[in-house]
Amino acid sequence: DTEVTQTPKHLVMGMTNKKSLKCEQHMGHRAMYWYKQKAKKPPELMFVYSYEKLSINESVPSRFSPECPNSSLLNLHLHALQPEDSALYLCASSAQIGGRRNEKLFFGSGTQLSVL
Amino acid sequence: DAKTTQPTSMDCAEGRAANLPCNHSTISGNEYVYWYRQIHSQGPQYIIHGLKNNETNEMASLIITEDRKSSTLILPHATLRDTAVYYCIGGATSGTYKYIFGTGTRLKVLA
Repeated sequence: DTEVTQTPKHLVMGMTNKKSLKCEQHMGHRAMYWYKQKAKKPPELMFVYSYEKLSINESVPSRFSPECPNSSLLNLHLHALQPEDSALYLCASSAQIGGRRNEKLFFGSGTQLSVL
Repeated sequence: DAKTTQPTSMDCAEGRAANLPCNHSTISGNEYVYWYRQIHSQGPQYIIHGLKNNETNEMASLIITEDRKSSTLILPHATLRDTAVYYCIGGATSGTYKYIFGTGTRLKVLA
């Protein structure tokens, strides 16, 4: 199984709602990532988890709250978002073997988020 | 962070080789160069990566210059299904897994 599964595929939420995005992989990978992608732009790194611990936060606003409950799961909790947060949210994973920098990222298909 | 620059767009005739350049002049000595592609509204797909030597796999070839400041992704016989945005990543910042995507090249394969 070389898949990263993201749910839901589409999400529409109001600015006062609380919602969560879910990402799952069963490849035994120990690094997991959240990227945000606006239309016609490259993916922008948001968070990196390494061995279930947050290792990188790219100065993301606190209305985005990541969580890694175990090595296979990654969540992104959303609260009080703004319309400009509408984007494709991509999850990725990589093996993270001994800190080497020779690693492929495996991406999910993303969640298309619309904030009204 | 290693930064990359790529042409915004390119066209290629079907059946011909597509050569996509990437400049990564700030890459450090032990950082790999990665290439991904993204077909509309899907997640990026890994293509190939390399450090110093040229690499080839079933999808593409990667040519890295001797000074490692630039590289070229080669799709030897482009098909219409290769129409996508191609991203070059100039490695992760030392000691981290901070993979930063470049601006990407929009490749259109023409029939």
